[in-house]
Amino acid sequence: GEDVEQSLFLSVREGDSSVINCTYTDSSSTYLYWYKQEPGAGLQLLTYIFSNMDMKQDQRLTVLLNKKDKHLSLRIADTQTGDSAIYFCAEIAGTASKLTFGTGTRLQVTL
Amino acid sequence: GAVVSQHPSRVICKSGTSVKIECRSLDFQATTMFWYRQFPKQSLMLMATSNEGSKATYEQGVEKDKFLINHASLTLSTLTVTSAHPEDSSFYICSARKQGTWYGYTFGSGTRLTVV
Repeated sequence: GEDVEQSLFLSVREGDSSVINCTYTDSSSTYLYWYKQEPGAGLQLLTYIFSNMDMKQDQRLTVLLNKKDKHLSLRIADTQTGDSAIYFCAEIAGTASKLTFGTGTRLQVTL
Repeated sequence: GAVVSQHPSRVICKSGTSVKIECRSLDFQATTMFWYRQFPKQSLMLMATSNEGSKATYEQGVEKDKFLINHASLTLSTLTVTSAHPEDSSFYICSARKQGTWYGYTFGSGTRLTVV
């Protein structure tokens, strides 16, 4: 089965870059996503990447995919206090239509 | 856009009663919706896949008689927690996929269920 792991916690200072990492086990992953969840709220899609891409940049967000190592990362440039939240990576594998979520990383931004 | 509305956002009910949670896709049609459960400080656990016009597909370990799912139209899926018990207290989130898009997994704002 699929297994998606993330580190639990990351603390950065405002203005610095944040890098959130994710590893997965299913080599048939086709689409990978990053979601943001603020306290008591649903999930907001931040960005996604197809498995045939290595990198995708969208404003302050940069996604890197190392398919060989099954490693996905999300870099947030110029991190702001409003970026404090839990970040989930998620994947769709093969022909399945359901998302498998990572364990979530709590990002804390300090002044 | 792709907006999913989930109601109620918060509900408190007594043990033994049933609670219905609604998930609506407001500006698109969704043949498939998903229901998740999230425990505090944990990830989302997929409970079931709701298919319009047919029976839901439940994940292993999820009691289908306990968590009734109805997807009667292309814009509405409901989750009913029957005979609720305190251990059913959790955060429930629905998601819908806009047809024709792989990135169109839009999530509702979630429902905090507390059973007392």
